[in-house]
Amino acid sequence: SQQGEEDPQALSIQEGENATMNCSYKTSINNLQWYRQNSGRGLVHLILIRSNEREKHSGRLRVTLDTSKKSSSLLITASRAADTASYFCATDEWMKRSGSNYKLTFGKGTLLTVNP
Amino acid sequence: DAGVIQSPRHEVTEMGQEVTLRCKPISGHNSLFWYRQTMMRGLELLIYFNNNVPIDDSGMPEDRFSAKMPNASFSTLKIQPSEPRDSAVYFCASSFRAGGHADSYEQYFGPGTRLTVT
Repeated sequence: SQQGEEDPQALSIQEGENATMNCSYKTSINNLQWYRQNSGRGLVHLILIRSNEREKHSGRLRVTLDTSKKSSSLLITASRAADTASYFCATDEWMKRSGSNYKLTFGKGTLLTVNP
Repeated sequence: DAGVIQSPRHEVTEMGQEVTLRCKPISGHNSLFWYRQTMMRGLELLIYFNNNVPIDDSGMPEDRFSAKMPNASFSTLKIQPSEPRDSAVYFCASSFRAGGHADSYEQYFGPGTRLTVT
């Protein structure tokens, strides 16, 4: 079942502009992660934000989390052509059977195209 | 440092054949995940191992799919018999999870195996 849903599905911008992608989820979470996937490659972890955090920065990335709205956003500032990729949010899901909340559920991603 | 290694990178097979996908996780990682990615369904978790033990296989589509992790440095995902609807990109990912810590950590993905079943 889909937990995280990214919005928009596709985004096209010019180099130097900022890109904002959103993620909404349905159930309570412990952490939320963002991943990037370049065409034909595996996913690469970008950033993890915990449920008790509201904002986190990493280089040109800024992630916010609003647990009351069950939503997160990923902002990429001063975008570059190399940022062209699909971006996924992943939420952990409580696994009662194993007693671990380690299972990640991924959304379908936002395809970001940065035009030079 | 070598990342997660998967083989083969591409596999084309005929319906009914057995397919075996292989994965070598990052040395020192104790959790391993198999995912399947399609345009229609996105990225789905098939099975998750912790310390070589299968923890959750609820994502395995049906009995035609099986996965093993005989040791900490190797895992296989087998499909027998394969069907055209199994065509997808299969990813293996690994992670290190501290013992007794119920928390999620970043996962490191391999390059994937693109499977085509004709």
